[in-house]
Amino acid sequence: KQEVTQIPAALSVPEGENLVLNCSFTDSAIYNLQWFRQDPGKGLTSLLLIQSSQREQTSGRLNASLDKSSGRSTLYIAASQPGDSATYLCAVQGSARQLTFGSGTQLTVLP
Amino acid sequence: EAGVTQSPTHLIKTRGQQATLRCSPISGHTSVYWYQQALGLGLQFLLWYDEGEERNRGNFPPRFSGRQFPNYSSELNVNALELEDSALYLCASSRTGANEKLFFGSGTQLSVL
Repeated sequence: KQEVTQIPAALSVPEGENLVLNCSFTDSAIYNLQWFRQDPGKGLTSLLLIQSSQREQTSGRLNASLDKSSGRSTLYIAASQPGDSATYLCAVQGSARQLTFGSGTQLTVLP
Repeated sequence: EAGVTQSPTHLIKTRGQQATLRCSPISGHTSVYWYQQALGLGLQFLLWYDEGEERNRGNFPPRFSGRQFPNYSSELNVNALELEDSALYLCASSRTGANEKLFFGSGTQLSVL
């Protein structure tokens, strides 16, 4: 059974700082790994999708890496802004299209 | 382009009743997914529909069921509601095929009293 762990559970940083969120998974037989953000009481917004054959994806100030063999992914956020404050969720997708989510990292960027 | 829309936004029911939640996917998307987000339990996969067929279901009892219509919209039915069914129910859609991004709606908050 796939299990996804995210560390840390919560993170508070001053504006402008670069930061790294971590995600680990137990079963390397994945189709892809996805990063989402969730604002309070809202749905999820897709940030990045890394296919199992890829090593990283970039979008603006976000960069996600994937090391499938070790079961790890990181999300790097450059020059953080208060608007980045949200819960960040990592999820892996298996062959049956089921996304298994981690419990998330709650990020607060202080002005 | 309209995103994934879910209705109703909030739903209040009592134990034993039935709830029906609706989802309209993004135009061109044929896959619809349902997830439950209960307090303290994280996001749990419920159901996946594609081209009108149920393709996969998560570890939930049979009183959670649904369907997908010819226009690819979907509804989730929860029978014999229990207090622990109180949660945010999220619908997502994607194009068919693997490695397609999922786009989520804002969810239906179901409260069972």
